[in-house]
Amino acid sequence: DQQVKQNSPSLSVQEGRISILNCDYTNSMFDYFLWYKKYPAEGPTFLISISSIKDKNEDGRFTVFLNKSAKHLSLHIVPSQPGDSAVYFCAASLGSSNTGKLIFGQGTTLQVKP
Amino acid sequence: DADVTQTPRNRITKTGKRIMLECSQTKGHDRMYWYRQDPGLGLQLIYYSFDVKDINKGEISDGYSVSRQAQAKFSLSLESAIPNQTALYFCATRAGPWQPQHFGDGTRLSIL
Repeated sequence: DQQVKQNSPSLSVQEGRISILNCDYTNSMFDYFLWYKKYPAEGPTFLISISSIKDKNEDGRFTVFLNKSAKHLSLHIVPSQPGDSAVYFCAASLGSSNTGKLIFGQGTTLQVKP
Repeated sequence: DADVTQTPRNRITKTGKRIMLECSQTKGHDRMYWYRQDPGLGLQLIYYSFDVKDINKGEISDGYSVSRQAQAKFSLSLESAIPNQTALYFCATRAGPWQPQHFGDGTRLSIL
């Protein structure tokens, strides 16, 4: 039973346009959500997070939106740049939990074309 | 210098061999984690540790063991490797609740 799902394996956008990556979860107990970016031959790099008390968090070109009723979060990248081409993972956890276990989605490969 | 360092970066070995993957960190975090990634899948938790005396199993711990030699070092062992343990392995650290995990660059392990 996959608790975190990224239903789009890949996404291609033009440089300068908006990239929207989506993620759905099933466990309503999750209250801390993160996005990671991964380049080939490197480890995942933390991008941005959001707790369930918020519905939006921004950091520069990256914005994460959380819709708790739909159990859905999305990552918006505006404007998209060729260097954003990577695999993006969403992850969920119980934020206050001491274990800090992350449940990851399968990843979405983003290609930004010049 | 990387905050979370994994060695080796690549390893090819044979079925039945014992393998150790090592992870060291300079972030000063107490919490350390080992994950495995298979093609087309997200990362899955193998083991995690809060300090040298506190080791916990994750979702896919069968066939693996770990050792927390010091706050900064956390090793993953495959006692008798099998081909379906071929995967990417990542180590991560975390400062505390409501904090992200920080990952090393991974070890690509192939078992023939």
